[in-house]
Amino acid sequence: GGIITQTPKFLIGQEGQKLTLKCQQNFNHDTMYWYRQDSGKGLRLIYYSITENDLQKGDLSEGYDASREKKSSFSLTVTSAQKNEMAVFLCASSIARGDTEVFFGKGTRLTVV
Amino acid sequence: QQKVQQSPESLTVSEGAMASLNCTFSDGTSNNFRWYRQHSAKGLEVLVSIFSDGEKEEGRFTAHLNRANLHVSLHIREPQPSDSAVYLCAVSITGNTGKLIFGLGTTLQVQP
Repeated sequence: GGIITQTPKFLIGQEGQKLTLKCQQNFNHDTMYWYRQDSGKGLRLIYYSITENDLQKGDLSEGYDASREKKSSFSLTVTSAQKNEMAVFLCASSIARGDTEVFFGKGTRLTVV
Repeated sequence: QQKVQQSPESLTVSEGAMASLNCTFSDGTSNNFRWYRQHSAKGLEVLVSIFSDGEKEEGRFTAHLNRANLHVSLHIREPQPSDSAVYLCAVSITGNTGKLIFGLGTTLQVQP
């Protein structure tokens, strides 16, 4: 079995700050995803990447950048943190084709003061 | 755009009694449906993935899919207090099995 590791687990930022979240997977999966989870709004897709150096926008990409530096890693940058923002960011991965499982990391909890 | 709704919002059952959760979706062309469990401050654990109409069992968890009725359910047999968690229904976006639309979840409490 594999694992998805997200760092940091907790992130406290200041309004206007640029913040970077990191994700590593050892499944050797092709596709990786970043989802945002807000209380009362469920999970929404921010960005995904189907291979190294590929980047595709999800429904919530405004205000974020992402980078797939290599197959095993996918990072997400909050370009300007919003005051009082609180959310959990979940990284996921899957094989590119077919009806396959999507596995999730344990998340990074963001608080902006 | 696919919409996914879950009911009930919260559910309390006694240990050992069957728990039933519901999920409706708006676009029947999606080809796969998943149930995830999320314990507080933890990631998502996939419970059952179902791709065809009918039933699929994974241990104590059984999913029923009825694409014509735009409905997928999850039944938990003999629930235990450790099953207390948020249960999320996820529907794939047609053409990309990894892009998921999630419901808001059902919070399940299992009382000893």
